[in-house]
Amino acid sequence: GAGVSQSPSNKVTEKGKDVELRCDPISGHTALYWYRQSLGQGLEFLIYFQGNSAPDKSGLPSDRFSAERTGGSVSTLTIQRTQQEDSAVYLCASSLGSSGRVDEQFFGPGTRLTVL
Amino acid sequence: AQSVAQPEDQVNVAEGNPLTVKCTYSVSGNPYLFWYVQYPNRGLQFLLKYITGDNLVKGSYGFEAEFNKSQTSFHLKKPSALVSDSALYFCAVSAYNFNKFYFGSGTKLNVKP
Repeated sequence: GAGVSQSPSNKVTEKGKDVELRCDPISGHTALYWYRQSLGQGLEFLIYFQGNSAPDKSGLPSDRFSAERTGGSVSTLTIQRTQQEDSAVYLCASSLGSSGRVDEQFFGPGTRLTVL
Repeated sequence: AQSVAQPEDQVNVAEGNPLTVKCTYSVSGNPYLFWYVQYPNRGLQFLLKYITGDNLVKGSYGFEAEFNKSQTSFHLKKPSALVSDSALYFCAVSAYNFNKFYFGSGTKLNVKP
């Protein structure tokens, strides 16, 4: 079956521009996560969506970052007024999100963002 | 605060030898522990998890991990390494708040022929 997909795979932008990154989770997965992976670093949690509940935004590094999940499926991560320190690989993951369980996450291939 | 430590940035091992990739954690409450592998230019793939039960967990590609509560560790092991095991390995933990996963900084495994 289809896995988690992300687009674009690469994005080069100029400092100060806005960018949108898209994630299509696995069908039927109610939980969706965004992470940031900087060179030589681990994964930094950004935001978590679970069904129709309010998202956990506690990992967003600044108010320039926002995310939406429409219809409980596709998610868009938006970075406004990009800065060079935003350059990283942005990873999306989804999981079944079963109540009372901790399910493994399935990751997309990531979007490599380069801010010039 | 929840955290995960992978003390080795890199592990080098010869093909056919046993390998260990170390992970220690700090959580409030019972930990839920995971290992993921990232091959070059590919997304992370799930290897195995510990939720409850037997401390020795077996996963994909012949990997296993041992949960040690007293040492707060969850080391990844394989009896006989393959060159194809060369990749970046991440340990992750979740706790009472199932929403959030905390990932280690990753360990690069190099298996030489």
